[in-house]
Amino acid sequence: GQNIDQPTEMTATEGAIVQINCTYQTSGFNGLFWYQQHAGEAPTFLSYNVLDGLEEKGRFSSFLSRSKGYSYLLLKELQMKDSASYLCAVSDSNYQLIWGAGTKLIIKP
Amino acid sequence: GAVVSQHPSRVICKSGTSVKIECRSLDFQATTMFWYRQFPKKSLMLMATSNEGSKATYEQGVEKDKFLINHASLTLSTLTVTSAHPEDSSFYICSARGGASSETQYFGPGTRLLVL
Repeated sequence: GQNIDQPTEMTATEGAIVQINCTYQTSGFNGLFWYQQHAGEAPTFLSYNVLDGLEEKGRFSSFLSRSKGYSYLLLKELQMKDSASYLCAVSDSNYQLIWGAGTKLIIKP
Repeated sequence: GAVVSQHPSRVICKSGTSVKIECRSLDFQATTMFWYRQFPKKSLMLMATSNEGSKATYEQGVEKDKFLINHASLTLSTLTVTSAHPEDSSFYICSARGGASSETQYFGPGTRLLVL
């Protein structure tokens, strides 16, 4: 079967760094996505990785290791507005997105 | 770029009525559009995938006669919830794929449906 695993909830402090991990087992792989979803709102696109390595975009970075079926989203200089759910999704062999359940990130002052 | 709009943002209707939700890609041509629903504090649930000009592909357990999807053009898809019941109350979100980054799904802002 297809499976995406990510922690249910994480807590971090304003100004700190947090790493949200995602492991996956899918039939085929055509890229991994990270989305941010604030409560009551639709997801917004953060990053897309299809090759191994680190992609940096401002305070957010995303890493992929295809051989390990592993990705992480790194958030630096955390701000209160970063409190949200972070969704990991993998595009499978049919280009369908397989979604993780999301990681709720709580930022404390 | 890659903006997706959704209308209405919020709708309240009586049980038994039908509700139509529109999803538009504003600055790109969406070859594929997706419809999701999400219950409070739950994961996104894919309902159906639609390609322009062809019938939608529904996920297991989703009634195609209840959730009518039309993808008439490369910029517009509609979801009609027919004979809505209170259990259909949910957050419905569309996404569109296409344009320069053809792998990425861009989401509309969602429609909150409340059936009384």
